[in-house]
Amino acid sequence: DAKTTQPNSMESNEEEPVHLPCNHSTISGTDYIHWYRQLPSQGPEYVIHGLTSNVNNRMASLAIAEDRKSSTLILHRATLRDAAVYYCILIPGAGNMLTFGGGTRLMVKP
Amino acid sequence: NAGVTQTPKFQVLKTGQSMTLQCAQDMNHEYMSWYRQDPGMGLRLIHYSVGAGITDQGEVPNGYNVSRSTTEDFPLRLLSAAPSQTSVYFCASSYGRLAYEQYFGPGTRLTVT
Repeated sequence: DAKTTQPNSMESNEEEPVHLPCNHSTISGTDYIHWYRQLPSQGPEYVIHGLTSNVNNRMASLAIAEDRKSSTLILHRATLRDAAVYYCILIPGAGNMLTFGGGTRLMVKP
Repeated sequence: NAGVTQTPKFQVLKTGQSMTLQCAQDMNHEYMSWYRQDPGMGLRLIHYSVGAGITDQGEVPNGYNVSRSTTEDFPLRLLSAAPSQTSVYFCASSYGRLAYEQYFGPGTRLTVT
């Protein structure tokens, strides 16, 4: 299965945009890119997903590189409630369900 | 909708005991799955199901059994608990696999002594 690589941690100031990178250089053409986040002591929460085109929803935007070997999750205005571990996951066209990597721990400073 | 519910929230077992973690969803989702999360780590897939009567193994299936007799329920059975199974267990469900969001339950914290 294709793997993802994310920085272990990132810091942001409150009300500033945050760009969380994810590298997935071995992605195949049918793999979907999903992002989840996990707040302390909670189950993961869906953020956004995409295949080839950039995507926007009420929580975030997902920018996918043209060659699909990387993607960036964009939080437009970070709040203290956005402090969480963010996971970038590839879902293969066939086979197992989600496989989580180590994720990026986002810290938001007031 | 209650979403995805899990019981119990906490459980302590002695080595060798067996137990069943319950998971239920009321969203008529076909796909359900079980994950475990060890301290400081990401989630690892244990078993999943694509519909009633159909289950398959994930990344770490050893020591666990599942069955899916109804769309709503997907219990996870620990056959003979071991300290290595101390973890937080999450159940999830979704309409589909590729382009649908997974809804996660609140988790069960299991300690095996």
